[in-house]
Amino acid sequence: DIQMTQSPSSLSASVGDRVTITCRASQSISSYLNWYQQKPGKAPKLLIYAASSLQSGVPSRFSGSASGTDFTLTILSLQPEDFATYYCQQSYTTPWTFGQGTRVEIK
Amino acid sequence: QVQLQESGPGLVKPSETLSLTCTVSGGSISSYYWNWIRQPPGKGLEWIGYSYYSGSTSYTPSLKSRLTISVDTSKNQFSLKLSSVTAADTAVYYCARGRHFDYWGQGTLVTVSS
Repeated sequence: DIQMTQSPSSLSASVGDRVTITCRASQSISSYLNWYQQKPGKAPKLLIYAASSLQSGVPSRFSGSASGTDFTLTILSLQPEDFATYYCQQSYTTPWTFGQGTRVEIK
Repeated sequence: QVQLQESGPGLVKPSETLSLTCTVSGGSISSYYWNWIRQPPGKGLEWIGYSYYSGSTSYTPSLKSRLTISVDTSKNQFSLKLSSVTAADTAVYYCARGRHFDYWGQGTLVTVSS
């Protein structure tokens, strides 16, 4: 199985901050990397697919990038509604696997 | 607008079979991968498996021996059956569409307990 390792596991940030979350794959996954946002009691929501493509309806302050097996989710200016848990997921090969999640909390 | 809705028992006894159905509305099931994903209370997400609309399947290895996922195109539904459940199978179960999960159901909590 491909292991997806997210860092950090949690972070505290203020409204307006730039936030970066990293996800590292245990082997090459090309650009088959997706990012999700999950709020308590809700289903996850797709933010970014194919490493850097913004899902329709997602604010442009969210962006994704890739470098080899390292992938980054950036929130340009954190908004109150962005406090949530974020997951990466590889869809290169089954079993499709998720990172362990990064919880973004209010400082 | 595509919508997915899970349905099934919220309580299952140990050693029995967990059965869930996901009903797809606002679009045809005759395309895409159709997935089941679960999340134990307070933990992360685990992809369980998919059925492609044509009927081909892929399952996570740890559950493969107990798992069946199938699609019913006539009803626009797909289903999950997980046999011989234990408390470790207690989770919120989600259905989701595609290789990158662009549409999700709201999730249903299934508790395994006697």
